[in-house]
Parts: sequence; C-alpha cells; structure tokens
Amino acid sequence: GAVVSQHPSWVICKSGTSVKIECRSLDFQATTMFWYRQFPKQSLMLMATSNEGSKATYEQGVEKDKFLINHASLTLSTLTVTSAHPEDSSFYICSARGASRLAGGPIPGFFGPGTRLTVL
Amino acid sequence: KQEVTQIPAALSVPEGENLVLNCSFTDSAIYNLQWFRQDPGKGLTSLLLIQSSQREQTSGRLNASLDKSSGRSTLYIAASQPGDSATYLCAVSEVWNSGGSNYKLTFGKGTLLTVNP
Repeated sequence: GAVVSQHPSWVICKSGTSVKIECRSLDFQATTMFWYRQFPKQSLMLMATSNEGSKATYEQGVEKDKFLINHASLTLSTLTVTSAHPEDSSFYICSARGASRLAGGPIPGFFGPGTRLTVL
Repeated sequence: KQEVTQIPAALSVPEGENLVLNCSFTDSAIYNLQWFRQDPGKGLTSLLLIQSSQREQTSGRLNASLDKSSGRSTLYIAASQPGDSATYLCAVSEVWNSGGSNYKLTFGKGTLLTVNP
C-alpha cells in the first residue's frame, strides 16, 4: 500500500513556542490531506482538510490561526501549532488521499504514523 | 452530525477465543466503512474496507459485516492471538462538502482488545 510519513514522530516543547509537523506521501500524489488529533482514550477528531494549492477547511471549534496548515505540494502538508500550550499536547495524525475513486465511493486514505506533541 | 459508537470500550479474552466487536453509526448515508487497528502510540493500520453496497469483507481471521440500513457493523475475529491485542477503530466515510467532491472519516472511540496467552 501507499506510504505516508510524518516528522517528527515525537516532540517536546516549551509553552509559547511553535511546532511544525510534516506529513509526506512518499509514493503517490496526495490531492487531499487530513489532519486529526487524538487525546488519550479518545477517538480521532478531524481538525482540518486541505486540498493541494487551496486553503484548508477547518472543522468547527478548531482555531485556524492557531493550527496553520499548508499544503503547497502534492506530496507535502505541514501543520504548525503556534504558541503551543499544555492543552495542545496530543497525538496528531495525518491522512493522505489521491484523486481517484473506487466505484461507488472515495478511495481510502493512508495514515501516517502520528506525532506525539508534549507541551511543557 | 454523524456519530459513531463502539461497544464494548474494552474487552479481555483468553487466547483462542472468537470475538465480536460492534460499531454503530447514526446517519446511514455513508460511502464506506473501515475497520482500523491502532497499536499504543502508533498510527492506524487499515484492516477492512466495506463499500456501502457490500454486506461483508473478509481478510484472514477477520470478517467485517455491514448493515447500512440499521447503521451497524461488526468485526469478527476468529481464534484470537496475543498479537491481536490493540485498539480497534471503526470509521465511516461520508461526503463533507456540498459539491460532493470530498469526503471525510468519522471515527468511533475504539475498542481496546487484550488477548491473554
């Protein structure tokens, strides 16, 4: 199957700093990328969806000025957590999907391994 | 708004036992349903994908069924092994924009499975 990588796999930062997380599709062109956040023992919650070359669409309750998403190429999307605070500590997972469709519906996305963010 | 519920939240079984994980969703207008496996601190591994027109999918010891009209899916694991221990997530795919050109997944909270040797 297709491979999606994330970097870094874990990061610890001080409160007030900004952190950038990269999501790359290694062997396919990802026209759409999704960013999820997962708190302990909770489900993955979609934060935003981005199409290559367009502005990201954020889910209700997600601050677009705090979570900056850039999807400038067909293989790379970045999520920047600006002025991070301890409550932003979470597991961030990206998913990438190409343009084609299965008969009757969308093709499944491929998930990255996740990035564990800890804000002190 | 779509809601996905998984029951039970946690399950502990002895090795070799057959087991069933349950998933329900509130809006039946889905395109497909997926079952994922997530190991602690790791990303997601897709196990099975069932299109809305299908009733079930099988892969090895795993069998997933879908009853779209009633908003239910089950994941059956035969002859469970300690290596099956993980969190199993159910997710439904549905259109998220009015143009119908993009889709999003809504996840349940998962079932934490422990298979004891």
